[in-house]
Amino acid sequence: GEDVEQSLFLSVREGDSSVINCTYTDSSSTYLYWYKQEPGAGLQLLTYIFSNMDMKQDQRLTVLLNKKDKHLSLRIADTQTGDSAIYFCAESIDNYGQNFVFGPGTRLSVLP
Amino acid sequence: NAGVTQTPKFQVLKTGQSMTLQCAQDMNHNSMYWYRQDPGMGLRLIYYSASEGTTDKGEVPNGYNVSRLNKREFSLRLESAAPSQTSVYFCASSGGAGYRGRGTEAFFGQGTRLTVV
Repeated sequence: GEDVEQSLFLSVREGDSSVINCTYTDSSSTYLYWYKQEPGAGLQLLTYIFSNMDMKQDQRLTVLLNKKDKHLSLRIADTQTGDSAIYFCAESIDNYGQNFVFGPGTRLSVLP
Repeated sequence: NAGVTQTPKFQVLKTGQSMTLQCAQDMNHNSMYWYRQDPGMGLRLIYYSASEGTTDKGEVPNGYNVSRLNKREFSLRLESAAPSQTSVYFCASSGGAGYRGRGTEAFFGQGTRLTVV
């Protein structure tokens, strides 16, 4: 079945770049997403990428997609303490937004 | 525009008690979902509803029932709560069929923290 994998923890120093990696198994994924979850809150969409794109940049966020290796990454430039959260990678495996598979989440800790 | 609203935010149940978690969305979305979140396991889909009048089992449906009351509301019922159902429950909605790009993503409620003792 479909599976999305992420490392569970990442620590970086404030001002450094963070790179959160994700691998997925379903080659038919149409959209891939990065969500952010702050403590005690629900998930909020950070960015998404369509499966025919290699890269997407949005201010401090850069998403890279290697479809051949089924690898997705999220780079956060100039990481701030407010970026400390859990980051979830997710794939949508149909065109209708009805089937999402989420990874276990990467807890990013930003050290001063 | 409230998005996805879940109630209650917190609940403690005794083993064997029943309860219903309520969820409503005001974005006219077709699809709605119930997930549970457990440490290190990410989000696991309990049930989903692709459109009003339909519901389908997800990855972990045992011990739960759902009702898609209308397009806005999707409730999750625990008939006889067990300690293994202690978790954080999230309701989500998405546009579903006909949506492309931004709009396909899932919008989440704030979660219900349920403890079964």
